[in-house]
Amino acid sequence: GAGVSQSPSNKVTEKGKDVELRCDPISGHTALYWYRQRLGQGLEFLIYFQGNSAPDKSGLPSDRFSAERTGESVSTLTIQRTQQEDSAVYLCASSKDFGFTEAFFGQGTRLTVV
Amino acid sequence: RKEVEQDPGPFNVPEGATVAFNCTYSNSASQSFFWYRQDCRKEPKLLMSVYSSGNEDGRFTAQLNRASQYISLLIRDSKLSDSATYLCVFNNAGNMLTFGGGTRLMVKP
Repeated sequence: GAGVSQSPSNKVTEKGKDVELRCDPISGHTALYWYRQRLGQGLEFLIYFQGNSAPDKSGLPSDRFSAERTGESVSTLTIQRTQQEDSAVYLCASSKDFGFTEAFFGQGTRLTVV
Repeated sequence: RKEVEQDPGPFNVPEGATVAFNCTYSNSASQSFFWYRQDCRKEPKLLMSVYSSGNEDGRFTAQLNRASQYISLLIRDSKLSDSATYLCVFNNAGNMLTFGGGTRLMVKP
């Protein structure tokens, strides 16, 4: 498909384990965003990539969270030593350029920490 | 002032009603504005872009007021299927798309 793809769609992990969430943006999209959404809450900005660089990491909630992007394509969000409060849907979005065109979202990864 | 402010609602309206939402933004240099719709447990999807001259798509009308720094969304003849959360989006000083917290709309029979 031509849309944003995220994997896995669902992840259940034990508290203290590390998890990796993957995002495959639309081909050619240079901007990529990660958001977190807790149940019944709004979007919480995590990090933003222009190409492979992340000019704004201000949204990462702690040093347990990190993200990278390679080849101006796939991005990985890693959460180390997961906590129960990390349970949420993690959404990835991509756009053709930096802030001037609309962003397209993937279906998200639902993370449950038990 | 927050970068973007939206009334979280919920707005409870009967079918057939007209309802309007506003969203204020702080960056006077913003150039791009959008309204997104998010259904329960789904990802946000683009509803419409907002152009300087205002634009209409069927029952939906979007407008931009640069002087007062807000955008608006008007929904006419509300349908049950319009029930969703509506997110305003604009580009901030770093040219990053910034999302509002959303306004929840509930259309009742």
